[in-house]
Amino acid sequence: SQKIEQNSEALNIQEGKTATLTCNYTNYSPAYLQWYRQDPGRGPVFLLLIRENEKEKRKERLKVTFDTTLKQSLFHITASQPADSATYLCALENGQNFVFGPGTRLSVLP
Amino acid sequence: NAGVMQNPRHLVRRRGQEARLRCSPMKGHSHVYWYRQLPEEGLKFMVYLQKENIIDESGMPKERFSAEFPKEGPSILRIQQVVRGDSAAYFCASSPQSSGTSYEQYFGPGTRLTVT
Repeated sequence: SQKIEQNSEALNIQEGKTATLTCNYTNYSPAYLQWYRQDPGRGPVFLLLIRENEKEKRKERLKVTFDTTLKQSLFHITASQPADSATYLCALENGQNFVFGPGTRLSVLP
Repeated sequence: NAGVMQNPRHLVRRRGQEARLRCSPMKGHSHVYWYRQLPEEGLKFMVYLQKENIIDESGMPKERFSAEFPKEGPSILRIQQVVRGDSAAYFCASSPQSSGTSYEQYFGPGTRLTVT
């Protein structure tokens, strides 16, 4: 059966450290994958998109990798700040629609 | 440059009533997606529309739910005869192109539906 999982429901890290979030999927073949940030009571905000033929994408302190063999994407936030605290969602392209993971709630502690 | 707009932001309905949720996409966007998010759960795809066309409704419940995106005006998600299980946040997203051309989605603030 098809499944999309994110490594943990919640992740606590110390300010200044690198946060690494994982997105794994089963029985999907996405042409690309996206990462979004969602704050409580708000809609998701797009962060990064990575295509199946790209290994890595960077944007400021954010880095995404995409391994279609492992069926996994890693999302890194370097030099994390308390303002990075939010829920992070991965989303797979699935033909004419998107499948979102359950999200990882990241807390960056000062 | 206004973002995606949804209204109302909060909607309370009694069981059996109808709920109408509106979504105005970003200017220049002709693709609209609707999602439902239950408390402590992820976003679940419901329907994907272009102007006057439903492209993918594989995530829509078979009964009571319908969606449209007319040539003029906002996209509407309509829930008839609401039940308590319909209580959720409903998000709309728009995109300038279809998912096949790998564009990101821009989400609205959501409508929080409460069924009493």
